[in-house]
Amino acid sequence: KNQVEQSPQSLIILEGKNCTLQCNYTVSPFSNLRWYKQDTGRGPVSLTIMTFSENTKSNGRYTATLDADTKQSSLHITASQLSDSASYICVVSAGAGNNRKLIWGLGTSLAVNP
Amino acid sequence: DAGVIQSPRHEVTEMGQEVTLRCKLISGHNSLFWYRQTMMRGLELLIYFNNNVPIDDSGMPEDRFSAKMPNASFSTLKIQPSEPRDSAVYFCASSVTGNNSPLHFGNGTRLTVT
Repeated sequence: KNQVEQSPQSLIILEGKNCTLQCNYTVSPFSNLRWYKQDTGRGPVSLTIMTFSENTKSNGRYTATLDADTKQSSLHITASQLSDSASYICVVSAGAGNNRKLIWGLGTSLAVNP
Repeated sequence: DAGVIQSPRHEVTEMGQEVTLRCKLISGHNSLFWYRQTMMRGLELLIYFNNNVPIDDSGMPEDRFSAKMPNASFSTLKIQPSEPRDSAVYFCASSVTGNNSPLHFGNGTRLTVT
């Protein structure tokens, strides 16, 4: 069964600290993995996308890693800011074209406190 | 570009009433997705259109739900009759066709059925 699991479910950190969010998946056939950020009351916004051959990708203070062998991804946030408070959702794409399926995790809720 | 526009932002209705949610796609996008988000189940795909044609409607809960794309830039999701268990946030997202294309979400419609 295609599945995406994220941990931790929620996380509280102090402003300026780093944190790492985890995503484990069992999805086949794997196409790509994407991290989305969802602010309260808004729709998700794409942060990064990684294909099978990529093992790290950065977007500003966000760095995503992918280990296709162990089927794990992480999202590292450096020097956190209050505006990083949001839900971070891992999504794995399976298949291609009209047979593409997006398998969504439940997200990690991050709170950055001053 | 105004992004994906959804209306209304909030809808409160009584059980048994008809509800219509609206979505305007980003110009040039040809794929349209309707999602439902709850705390327990996260984001669930309801239906996916490509070039105005429904490709995957396996997520539509039951016959009470219907979706249309009368043209390339607009879609509606209708619930008739509505039930309390339909209460959720409904998101519309659009993208260009392509496995690596990100979904661009609207800010959702929060539906409460009493």
